[in-house]
Amino acid sequence: DIQMTQSPASVSASVGDRVTITCQASQDISDWLAWYQQKPGTPPKLLIYGASSVRSGVPSRFSGSGSGTDFTLTIDSLQPEDFATYYCQQGNSFLGLSFGGGTKVEIK
Amino acid sequence: DVDLVESGGGLVPPGGSLRLSCSASGFTFRSSGMTWVRQAPGKGLEWVSSITGSGGSVYYADSVKGRFTISRDNSKNTLYLQMNGLSAEDTAMYYCAKALSTSWYSDQWGQGILVTVSS
Repeated sequence: DIQMTQSPASVSASVGDRVTITCQASQDISDWLAWYQQKPGTPPKLLIYGASSVRSGVPSRFSGSGSGTDFTLTIDSLQPEDFATYYCQQGNSFLGLSFGGGTKVEIK
Repeated sequence: DVDLVESGGGLVPPGGSLRLSCSASGFTFRSSGMTWVRQAPGKGLEWVSSITGSGGSVYYADSVKGRFTISRDNSKNTLYLQMNGLSAEDTAMYYCAKALSTSWYSDQWGQGILVTVSS
């Protein structure tokens, strides 16, 4: 299976900050990448798919970019409800639909 | 509204077996790929297995290959995960999830069911 490496593992930020999370695939996955948000005690929520397509209903402050092996999730102007853990996932079934290790966004 | 409800979890001894079910409603089940994802206590998400809408193609993580079997009954709108040879490392919350359109991204998730492997 492909290995997905996220960084940082955690980040402390304030409301209004811009936060950037990166995800690196161990081999080329084109744009087969999704980003999820998970809050404690709840299932994950899909935010971004196809590396840069924002799911309907997701605030426009969330954006994704990248292709090949390097990807980025950006949260512009962090809001209180954005404090959560974020995961990337590669979306090619033939390569194993593996997740990154997660990035916890904490309040500074 | 889409609804996914997992059942069948619980406490099982090492080496034991368990079958999880996921009852689906609110969408055309037979047309949707489905996935099982698990999360060990305090840990990250781990993809377990996926199955196409027809059931004709299945995919497994290396960690469960040969021990777990994913299947579905489209007449009952139900997804299954048969888990054999369980070990403590399989202790986790197990989520079923629906695939977005023709992709394997999971756009709807159940609330999860806890599986604990312990003597």
